[in-house]
Amino acid sequence: EVQLVESGGGLVQPGGSLRLSCAGSGFTFSSYGMNWVRQAPGKGLEWVSYISGSSSTIYYADSVKGRFTISRDNAANSLYLQMNSLRAEDTAVYYCARVLYCSSSGCSSFWGQGTLVSVSS
Amino acid sequence: QLVVTQSPSVSASLGASVKLTCTLSSGHSSYAIAWHQQQPEKGPRYLMKVNSDGSHSKGDGIPDRFSGSSSGAERYLIISSLQSEDEADYYCQTWGTGFWVFGGGTKLTVL
Repeated sequence: EVQLVESGGGLVQPGGSLRLSCAGSGFTFSSYGMNWVRQAPGKGLEWVSYISGSSSTIYYADSVKGRFTISRDNAANSLYLQMNSLRAEDTAVYYCARVLYCSSSGCSSFWGQGTLVSVSS
Repeated sequence: QLVVTQSPSVSASLGASVKLTCTLSSGHSSYAIAWHQQQPEKGPRYLMKVNSDGSHSKGDGIPDRFSGSSSGAERYLIISSLQSEDEADYYCQTWGTGFWVFGGGTKLTVL
């Protein structure tokens, strides 16, 4: 069974830093690109960042570029999001999500349960 | 610019059918999309991918009551025999090179 479990969220002051983690299991972690997606309270989903399986390709949403850094450790089956210079508008539940993968037997994509980041003084 | 648009809300009766619509922006009518369900206080769950030709591919364990179709730039999620647990937010998602784009979500209320 595929599982993605986020951790590392919490309350942080504006301008502070936080590092989120996502532990993957039940699949060959290194074979899949991974994403971070966030959801502000009462709002919709917003894509944050993508990293390929080998870490060779990385993309960021404009809203976090220069402040957030995505990385992964395939030996530890883990995905990370280093968040610096945090702002009130970064307050959200952060989800890790495996990219959509399609084969002859069908398509699949998976999400974690999320971790809450609150930025407030 | 790649954008997907959804109606904010829809309601339907228990046991009835409902069709949710996701509209791709101009020039992007060939794009596939994915539908995700988010029940209250839970993380999203992948439902299916819908291609421009109307073919769709569901995730494991998604009931047969859920299906997808397409017409032009519109992609649909059809839920038949509505049950109370179908009351949720449904998000349409598409993608470009290295990025995802989400619609604003449709809140489905089961009456």
